[in-house]
Amino acid sequence: QSVLTQPPSVSGAPGQRVTISCTGSSSNIGAGYDVHWYQQLPGTAPKLLIYGNTNRPSGVPDRFSGSKSGTSASLAITGLQTEDESDYYCHSYDSSLSGSVFGGGTKLTVL
Amino acid sequence: QVQLQESGPGLVKPSETLSLTCTVSGGSISSYFWSFIRQPPGKGLEWIGYSYYTVTTNYNPSLKSRVTISIDTSKNQFSLKLSSLTAADTAVYYCARVRSGTTGYMDVWGKGTTVIVSS
Repeated sequence: QSVLTQPPSVSGAPGQRVTISCTGSSSNIGAGYDVHWYQQLPGTAPKLLIYGNTNRPSGVPDRFSGSKSGTSASLAITGLQTEDESDYYCHSYDSSLSGSVFGGGTKLTVL
Repeated sequence: QVQLQESGPGLVKPSETLSLTCTVSGGSISSYFWSFIRQPPGKGLEWIGYSYYTVTTNYNPSLKSRVTISIDTSKNQFSLKLSSLTAADTAVYYCARVRSGTTGYMDVWGKGTTVIVSS
């Protein structure tokens, strides 16, 4: 059971918009700690996608965006492409655990 | 461009201690936090812990009694030791650089190394 809760899977057709939620609690997201997102393509290491809730590292397309409100955060992907098919993980800090916590991951399928 | 490379044994026996090293190239190991994360087969990411220089360390409470992360600035490397291994420790182990301190994000990752715990 992960401290941050993500849906196990989401899907969408090419060109559509999908969102992936990340639900936490008052000791992590709700306490004001930043949320970060990673993309993990099959058989590869995770790659930073969004940091500090809304910021994209250089080279990440603006089709990817992040938001945060209350005890939850979301990753939105617009203009879905087949290469977006991947696992996505949210990440934050938890004051009760005094360390990093990850969501359980969401598998995105592009139909 | 900073790159990270994990190295260590692919197979270790139950009850033994795992030793992994992460070599940092293309940049200095100083002034950053460094972390280890693992991923059991078919499962999600689990944070193991981090270290900053040799002064500050913090570990996942579920692993704290078995984990040590240390930094060797002379070799630009940091290392993980995980003791009393069981089959549940079988995973891909990643090292990563952490930006913005203890609550920050992992911006550079190694490719990962597979560790199998089996007799």
